[in-house]
Amino acid sequence: ELKVEQNPLFLSMQEGKNYTIYCNYSTTSDRLYWYRQDPGKSLESLFVLLSNGAVKQEGRLMASLDTKARLSTLHITAAVHDLSATYFCAVDTYNAGNMLTFGGGTRLMVKP
Amino acid sequence: DTGVSQNPRHKITKRGQNVTFRCDPISEHNRLYWYRQTLGQGPEFLTYFQNEAQLEKSRLLSDRFSAERPKGSFSTLEIQRTEQGDSAMYLCASRPFTGQGANYGYTFGSGTRLTVV
Repeated sequence: ELKVEQNPLFLSMQEGKNYTIYCNYSTTSDRLYWYRQDPGKSLESLFVLLSNGAVKQEGRLMASLDTKARLSTLHITAAVHDLSATYFCAVDTYNAGNMLTFGGGTRLMVKP
Repeated sequence: DTGVSQNPRHKITKRGQNVTFRCDPISEHNRLYWYRQTLGQGPEFLTYFQNEAQLEKSRLLSDRFSAERPKGSFSTLEIQRTEQGDSAMYLCASRPFTGQGANYGYTFGSGTRLTVV
């Protein structure tokens, strides 16, 4: 069974600081996704990573994928308060029916 | 197209009652998924359809849960004899299965928040 683990589960950081969220998964994956969720809201797609070595950046967020290590990272550069949210990684695999399996989420709080 | 639409946004029901939620996917998306999310957890897969065919339903939480997509367009998720443990956010997502769009992920609706009292 595919398992997806994120760490840390909770992250409190000061504005302007850098930090990385890690996402490990247990079996071969076809695609890895990062989502943002604000309290009481649905999931907003941030990145889709399709292949080993893929790196995508949007604003202060950068995501990368290492399929050999079964690891993805979401790096936050010079955090701002507006980035406060819960971030989920998710994996889907063709052999598992192309359904997303989510990690437990990382709750990020950026303090002014 | 306004994205994936879910109704109602909120539902409060008494224990033992039946509830039904509706999801209208993006029109050209042939795959439709249902997820459940409890507080502080990641979404948990329930079931999915390709067009009108339900391809995976073993993850539905119990036989009280059922889903349909009769014409391959909108879908409904029904929970019979609701229990307090059913309280959660129910999310619907859709995506194209083939073509370049298949690599660009799932679009989620705003969800239906169910409270069983």
